Amino acid sequence: QVQLRESGPGLVKPSGTLSLICGVTGDSISSSNWWSWVRQPPGKGLEWIGEIYHTGGTHYNPSLKSRVTMSVDKSNNQFSLKMSSVTVADTAVYFCARGEVGSAQLDYWGQGTLVTVSS
Amino acid sequence: SSELTQDPAVSVALGQTVTITCQGDSLRSFYASWYQQRPGQAPLLVIYGKNNRPSGIPDRFSGSRSGDTASLTITGTQAEDEADYHCNSRDSGGNHVLFGGGTKLTVL
Repeated sequence: QVQLRESGPGLVKPSGTLSLICGVTGDSISSSNWWSWVRQPPGKGLEWIGEIYHTGGTHYNPSLKSRVTMSVDKSNNQFSLKMSSVTVADTAVYFCARGEVGSAQLDYWGQGTLVTVSS
Repeated sequence: SSELTQDPAVSVALGQTVTITCQGDSLRSFYASWYQQRPGQAPLLVIYGKNNRPSGIPDRFSGSRSGDTASLTITGTQAEDEADYHCNSRDSGGNHVLFGGGTKLTVL
């Protein structure tokens, strides 16, 4: 059974950097899948942040690209998200998910972690 | 295209059939996937590809596509189907993922 779990600080100061890790069990981070981040502001819809392949190849949401960096850690079977210069508008539940190559389907999701941007 | 459009809210009587739609240019090239999200939970994939259901998803859920519009149909809607439903697809260039704004389904 594939499981993903997000971890990281739940509170980040404005202008700071949000850092999250997604640990994967039940599948190898080197499998033929995209590994994705999606967020959901309180009471709003889902927003795709970006995806990374085990080779390090990435695709980012154009509206967030200048502030987002993703990376893969094969030794720990996990991938990470860094988002710089955060504002209150970045307050959201952040999900990690496994994606199918060639499509947008995200078949396994983490439970999500709330990140609040506040001083 | 950079947008997928969903109706914000739809209601259905218990036991009846409801269709939720998702419209966008990218759907002419890529199939939509559909996700069910109950309050406080992560999204759950319910339909992907032409009309495929992951293991464990009831067969009352089905998907279809016509032109630039994808549809999720629930036949014989149950009370537990009350949730938010989100569609997504690749964008027309294939390098990014789009989400619709989500549809809140109310079962009366």
